[in-house]
Amino acid sequence: DAGVIQSPRHEVTEMGQEVTLRCKPISGHDYLFWYRQTMMRGLELLIYFNNNVPIDDSGMPEDRFSAKMPNASFSTLKIQPSEPRDSAVYFCASSFQRGFGEQFFGPGTRLTVL
Amino acid sequence: GENVEQHPSTLSVQEGDSAVIKCTYSDSASNYFPWYKQELGKRPQLIIDIRSNVGEKKDQRIAVTLNKTAKHFSLHITETQPEDSAVYFCAAPGEAAGNKLTFGGGTRVLVKP
Repeated sequence: DAGVIQSPRHEVTEMGQEVTLRCKPISGHDYLFWYRQTMMRGLELLIYFNNNVPIDDSGMPEDRFSAKMPNASFSTLKIQPSEPRDSAVYFCASSFQRGFGEQFFGPGTRLTVL
Repeated sequence: GENVEQHPSTLSVQEGDSAVIKCTYSDSASNYFPWYKQELGKRPQLIIDIRSNVGEKKDQRIAVTLNKTAKHFSLHITETQPEDSAVYFCAAPGEAAGNKLTFGGGTRVLVKP
């Protein structure tokens, strides 16, 4: 398996633009997590899905952020409109339901909002 | 929900010395305690984990100890090497089902040659 795949790896956009981040979890994994990492706030969980259903979105900072998982092999995190304070590295991770929940992280998307 | 605190936030050690990072958690229902290592510009990766029925686990130069009574667990790295320089995160699941982990704030470890 290729591991968790994220695209794009880098994104530079201007304030007010829509940004869409994409994630393909490891095949067979039941859980998918979206994290945001910054120097100031560390590693924050934004939202997670179980079997394509959003379970906990309490970490989503505001209505500008939305996430979907239309099928078991694809998820998106959208920011509309983007703001400079959204600049961060966004990680997607997946895990297998049975067991103690080791999370496998993707390579991340480095987002810069100018 | 679970609250995980990690100390110290930065740690500088001489090559060959040992490094110890400590985490405390709040939810006594937590039963799984992983440690992730994140090298500069890379993704977090699991390096070792421990389950609540075990007090200590070793894997070569790294070990994790767990004290469920005091609700803390620690990462020990012996004979540190420059490649151990990274940010280390502890985590705990709390009572919440669903493999959700709450991460500590991270410890930046610098191994000086």
